[in-house]
Parts: sequence; C-alpha cells; structure tokens
Amino acid sequence: EAGVAQSPRYKIIEKRQSVAFWCNPISGHATLYWYQQILGQGPKLLIQFQNNGVVDDSQLPKDRFSAERLKGVDSTLKIQPAKLEDSAVYLCASSLDSAGRVYEQYFGPGTRLTVT
Amino acid sequence: DAKTTQPPSMDCAEGRAANLPCNHSTISGNEYVYWYRQIHSQGPQYIIHGLKNNETNEMASLIITEDRKSSTLILPHATLRDTAVYYCIGMSQYALNFGKGTSLLVTP
Repeated sequence: EAGVAQSPRYKIIEKRQSVAFWCNPISGHATLYWYQQILGQGPKLLIQFQNNGVVDDSQLPKDRFSAERLKGVDSTLKIQPAKLEDSAVYLCASSLDSAGRVYEQYFGPGTRLTVT
Repeated sequence: DAKTTQPPSMDCAEGRAANLPCNHSTISGNEYVYWYRQIHSQGPQYIIHGLKNNETNEMASLIITEDRKSSTLILPHATLRDTAVYYCIGMSQYALNFGKGTSLLVTP
C-alpha cells in the first residue's frame, strides 16, 4: 500500500515570497490533515479536511495560509507571503474514518521549509 | 482534550524493556489515550491507543491505570531503531494535539 506522498521535500524561499506544498493521501482515506512542526516542538494542527470539507481550521493563520482539497483527494497548502517564523516542517497525514474520528493517522515524510 | 505530561528524555539499554510514562489527570471518560513516535527526519508513526483496558499489538503494550489518570507505553525489547520521540496524546474525536513528548535513546 502506498503511503502519504508529499512534495517538495525541501524548499528555501525568501521572506515575502509565496510557496505551495502538495499532499496525496492514502487511497480511500476520507480525512486529511496538515500540521506544522517547528524545530524542537511537536506537530501542530493547521487544518483538517473530511472529504473536501473543512472540519477544523482554527489554528490556520488565514491572513497568509490557505489550503484546499479539491475533489476530496489530494490537497495543497499555500503560504503567501512567507515570514521567517514560517520556517518549519509541514506534515500531511490522512486517516480512513469518514466520520472524522481520529483512530490511526498516517503521516507523510514532510516538507522542510526554510524562509530566509 | 486532556493535557498530558511526559518526561523530556529517557535512556534504555538495547534488549531491555522501555517503559515510557504519561500523566493525563484531566482526561475525561470518552477520551482515548494515543501514542505516536517520531524517528528523526520522519513523520510521526502511530503505535497504539486505548480507552480503559490494557492494549497490546505487535509494536508495544499500553497499560492504563484504573483511574485513567496515567498510562505507560512498554516496548518489550527495545532496539536501536526504537530511538525516537514518543508522544502521549489524550484525544476525544478529532485531530491530535502533540506536546513535546519523551525523547527515548536506546543505547547498545
């Protein structure tokens, strides 16, 4: 079974530039999550989708971050404009349960973003 | 969601059991206890979860106290590949709230 795919794996941009990350969840998984992990900390949820609807985006900085999950499959996370404090690993995860309950989440390898 | 408390770091000798404690004194009756781990430069990996009863799978055992205020994750025979950050999370339904976890170092 293929795992969660993310691209790119690494990205370096200057502050005020924009960047986009892509995630393809495990086939058939209804729920998709984006997390931000700053060095030395645990992952922090940014947004959760159930199929193509948003379940929770309370911690997403909506003035600069946006995310979409068209057709309920893959997803993109965008930052525009980037700030130095956005330097982090961005993790995508998916889970099977269509009701949005947690159970087992499968994580991708992450995208490491460096903002200079 | 329950706040969890874990020691920041632990050591374990290879081949010995690793016992990772977690306090979750504010956990409510419908909140599960989840354990994930994160090996360096990888995404977190699900280990096990439980509600009231002790649980065991191919990776680990989870012992939950009767009052559900604490739990212990047991890796019965730790290997060098078990070196990772282990997260204990109290959660009811939706997404996981990770803390800083316990950094486990397995030594030869």
